[in-house]
Amino acid sequence: KQEVTQIPAALSVPEGENLVLNCSFTDSAIYNLQWFRQDPGKGLTSLLLIQSSQREQTSGRLNASLDKSSGRSTLYIAASQPGDSATYLCAPISNFGNEKLTFGTGTRLTIIP
Amino acid sequence: ETGVTQTPRHLVMGMTNKKSLKCEQHLGHNAMYWYKQSAKKPLELMFVYNFKEQTENNSVPSRFSPECPNSSHLFLHLHTLQPEDSALYLCASRASGRIEQFFGPGTRLTVL
Repeated sequence: KQEVTQIPAALSVPEGENLVLNCSFTDSAIYNLQWFRQDPGKGLTSLLLIQSSQREQTSGRLNASLDKSSGRSTLYIAASQPGDSATYLCAPISNFGNEKLTFGTGTRLTIIP
Repeated sequence: ETGVTQTPRHLVMGMTNKKSLKCEQHLGHNAMYWYKQSAKKPLELMFVYNFKEQTENNSVPSRFSPECPNSSHLFLHLHTLQPEDSALYLCASRASGRIEQFFGPGTRLTVL
């Protein structure tokens, strides 16, 4: 059974800093991995999707990497802004056909103005 | 705006009530999902539907009954729930042949 761990559970940094969020998963037989953000009481917004053949994916100030063999992914946020404050979730995707997402408990990020 | 809507956004019900959650998408997707997010726990997959057929039931208790009448609509019928079923229920959809799932805003359910 896939288990996902995200470290740290919470992180507070001053505005403008670069930061890295970590995700590890136990079953490396995944097809892809998706990063989401969730604002309090809201649904999930997809940030980046990394396919198993890729090692990283970039969107604006966000860069996500994937190392399947070691069961790790990182989300790098450059020049953080207060609007980046949210909970960040990673979800490896398995079971081709159903595309099952397995979630960790997330990292709650607070950017201090 | 992700194109996935859920109603109601908030629901309070007693343990003897029967209620239904609704999810709707107009993205042309053919796969739909129900997830449960309890406090301090990871999001858990409940059900998966592909082309209106249920393809995954993640050992969900029978007091939760899903229904997918067409590819655009997904329901979750609730009856005789327990207080521990209080959670945020999220719906998601995905296009056939694609990987990315798109989520709705969720229904915050409180069972008294």
